[in-house]
Amino acid sequence: RKEVEQDPGPFNVPEGATVAFNCTYSNSASQSFFWYRQDCRKEPKLLMSVYSSGNEDGRFTAQLNRASQYISLLIRDSKLSDSATYLCVVASPGTYKYIFGTGTRLKVLA
Amino acid sequence: NAGVTQTPKFQVLKTGQSMTLQCAQDMNHEYMSWYRQDPGMGLRLIHYSVGAGITDQGEVPNGYNVSRSTTEDFPLRLLSAAPSQTSVYFCASKTQGNTEAFFGQGTRLTVV
Repeated sequence: RKEVEQDPGPFNVPEGATVAFNCTYSNSASQSFFWYRQDCRKEPKLLMSVYSSGNEDGRFTAQLNRASQYISLLIRDSKLSDSATYLCVVASPGTYKYIFGTGTRLKVLA
Repeated sequence: NAGVTQTPKFQVLKTGQSMTLQCAQDMNHEYMSWYRQDPGMGLRLIHYSVGAGITDQGEVPNGYNVSRSTTEDFPLRLLSAAPSQTSVYFCASKTQGNTEAFFGQGTRLTVV
């Protein structure tokens, strides 16, 4: 089993739709979680950290479910500019290493 | 503020050639790392460093060497390029702890 798993997609959604991605992780001792965004042929950039109580940044909501070992990203009112690959990142416990999922590709359609 | 700078952006090598991918950061970050990104594989850690003079292997270190003589620079050396090393390489840096990692723009390497 991979340490971090994501559905690769693509998720094709119309503008204005709500879309959600999940990411599962295998190490129950993991403490820190992130969502990164990667545009085509560009470097990954931090979208948001994921906190235990859940957190929101505008149209984006991230949640953590420790019992089931998954994190989620919800995007409301999708924009064309949200089209990208969303990478789930889990910090390896006790190290500085980040483990990346393979990414979920989102296409928002006009 | 330059952030993380990688050079070159594109490179074509012949099998057996060696080369160095450069990475420099101006944020005084302790932690630097190299990843390769292949279709369907996500970003895989090659080598990392927690400070000047300290390096360690990641998930896929074979065929690569690194050194960290200064805080700013973390070059990645391909010793004898192979077609399996065709990939996009990203350098990243961050402060200690579980903080935001900043990435360079990537190097697209093709080995023929």
